[in-house]
Amino acid sequence: QQQVKQSPQSLIVQKGGISIINCAYENTAFDYFPWYQQFPGKGPALLIAIRPDVSEKKEGRFTISFNKSAKQFSLHIMDSQPGDSATYFCAGTSGSRLTFGEGTQLTVNP
Amino acid sequence: NAGVTQTPKFQVLKTGQSMTLQCAQDMNHEYMSWYRQDPGMGLRLIHYSVGAGITDQGEVPNGYNVSRSTTEDFPLRLLSAAPSQTSVYFCASSANLAKNIQYFGAGTRLSVL
Repeated sequence: QQQVKQSPQSLIVQKGGISIINCAYENTAFDYFPWYQQFPGKGPALLIAIRPDVSEKKEGRFTISFNKSAKQFSLHIMDSQPGDSATYFCAGTSGSRLTFGEGTQLTVNP
Repeated sequence: NAGVTQTPKFQVLKTGQSMTLQCAQDMNHEYMSWYRQDPGMGLRLIHYSVGAGITDQGEVPNGYNVSRSTTEDFPLRLLSAAPSQTSVYFCASSANLAKNIQYFGAGTRLSVL
């Protein structure tokens, strides 16, 4: 049973466009919500993260929006670049355990 | 600047064979974990450890064993490999459980025939 649902499965965006990836969670014990970025042949790497008492966090072109009442959060990539092409995973943490969403394969066309 | 090192990078096994996937970290992290990555399923937690001598099961532990005799090493053992264990395996470590920022290795791609 997937506790974190992620959509879409794949996303194609033109260079300069906005990429939006959505996640919904079930476990209200989650206390930290990171996003990981994974390039082919590499392990995931932390991109940006948010705590549930904050509604938005921005780091450069990357923004997390968080809606605690709806149990949803999303990643927005502004001015998407071909170098952003990767697989993105949302996740929720509870204690020492990290639960991932299914992943979104993002392709940014030049 | 090694971080989390996994060996081997690739492995092919026959059904029923056993093997150990190695994971080592040089950041003195207390928390280590193993995940498997399958298409459309994200990363699923197999086993984890919050310190030397302490291990616990994750979401998909069946068919795998772990031990943590030192802070640096966290090997994953496949006792009798099955085709369903064909996957990419990632080891991760973390210093801060409150933030749970995990650092991942480059992965081991395992095929079981």
